[in-house]
Amino acid sequence: RKEVEQDPGPFNVPEGATVAFNCTYSNSASQSFFWYRQDCRKEPKLLMSVYSSGNEDGRFTAQLNRASQYISLLIRDSKLSDSATYLCVVSMPHGSGNTGKLIFGQGTTLQVKP
Amino acid sequence: GAVVSQHPSRVICKSGTSVKIECRSLDFQATTMFWYRQFPKQSLMLMATSNEGSKATYEQGVEKDKFLINHASLTLSTLTVTSAHPEDSSFYICSARVGRVGNQPQHFGDGTRLSIL
Repeated sequence: RKEVEQDPGPFNVPEGATVAFNCTYSNSASQSFFWYRQDCRKEPKLLMSVYSSGNEDGRFTAQLNRASQYISLLIRDSKLSDSATYLCVVSMPHGSGNTGKLIFGQGTTLQVKP
Repeated sequence: GAVVSQHPSRVICKSGTSVKIECRSLDFQATTMFWYRQFPKQSLMLMATSNEGSKATYEQGVEKDKFLINHASLTLSTLTVTSAHPEDSSFYICSARVGRVGNQPQHFGDGTRLSIL
């Protein structure tokens, strides 16, 4: 089983649509959670951190359910510029020689069409 | 925000060549930097964790004699792919974390696309 699992998609949606991505992780001791965005042939860029209380940044809402080991990202009012691959990222526990390394999901590809 | 610069962005060279990639934190000090590799349509895979002033920690299956890491200062880490072969062709990305706390997000360099002929 992969440490971080995502549906690779692609998700093809029209402009203005609401789209949701899900992610599950296997290590219950995982410490921190993030969504990154990666455009084709580019480096990942941090989209937002994810907290148990849920957090929102404009059109983006992230949720974390530690009991279910489940992370979600909701994008409202999709724009053409939202087309990218969204990476679910989990930080391993810090300590025991581990410097809090990140584990990346495979990514979910979103295509927003006019 | 935190800026990480990576150089070069693109390398094409012959098999057997050694290639050095630099990763710099421009506006902050990075005690720890990370080196990743990404093959097409796959996720980023951590290769090693680079610690300033000490030896790098390599992930299982990554040859430390093949991928030499030097983190001589708080703003610079280098990855040298020694005697590169076509199977080493990949997208190499470094990242740096602001501060020492493990739950802070990492910021990525632009990546280096390495093609070995």
